[in-house]
Amino acid sequence: DQQVKQNSPSLSVQEGRISILNCDYTNSMFDYFLWYKKYPAEGPTFLISISSIKDKNEDGRFTVFLNKSAKHLSLHIVPSQPGDSAVYFCAASSNSGYALNFGKGTSLLVTP
Amino acid sequence: ETGVTQTPRHLVMGMTNKKSLKCEQHLGHNAMYWYKQSAKKPLELMFVYNFKEQTENNSVPSRFSPECPNSSHLFLHLHTLQPEDSALYLCASSGVQGGDGQPQHFGDGTRLSIL
Repeated sequence: DQQVKQNSPSLSVQEGRISILNCDYTNSMFDYFLWYKKYPAEGPTFLISISSIKDKNEDGRFTVFLNKSAKHLSLHIVPSQPGDSAVYFCAASSNSGYALNFGKGTSLLVTP
Repeated sequence: ETGVTQTPRHLVMGMTNKKSLKCEQHLGHNAMYWYKQSAKKPLELMFVYNFKEQTENNSVPSRFSPECPNSSHLFLHLHTLQPEDSALYLCASSGVQGGDGQPQHFGDGTRLSIL
């Protein structure tokens, strides 16, 4: 049973606007969450992470929000740029382990 | 060379062949991982090595055999694979196993096709 779910397989956003990618999880033991970005023919690249003791982490144009009660996190990209077009994976792990549980990914297309 | 390097990038093999995938990391990390990504499925963790010791085998069939001779190198030996084993195999490394704030860094993967 999948513990990390990205329910939107794809998202299209206009350049300059905000992109919001969503992720839900079911395991309440998860306490570390990450977002990866993947271009075709390349491996996933780490983008940003958040610990469960926080509800927000910001790095430049990228902000991750965590809502523990709803078991939901989101990645905001603002302003979106065409180079942001890629597949974005949400991942989660628990402190007692090391295995990253990945979602299936959301393909983001930023149009000029 | 920096980062995580995987070779070969593409591999086509028959079900009776024996081949090996190689992963090398130049990040000074102590933990290394093998993942499998099949079409329309999330990345699945296969094996974890921490300081050259295997700490996780995620119910992987014995036709996949990992080897970690040192903290910088990881191999995945393949033999008598099945067509459903065709997938993208990704290697990753991290500073400490399971450490908060220690994201895993991935290689570009080996695209494996079983005939």
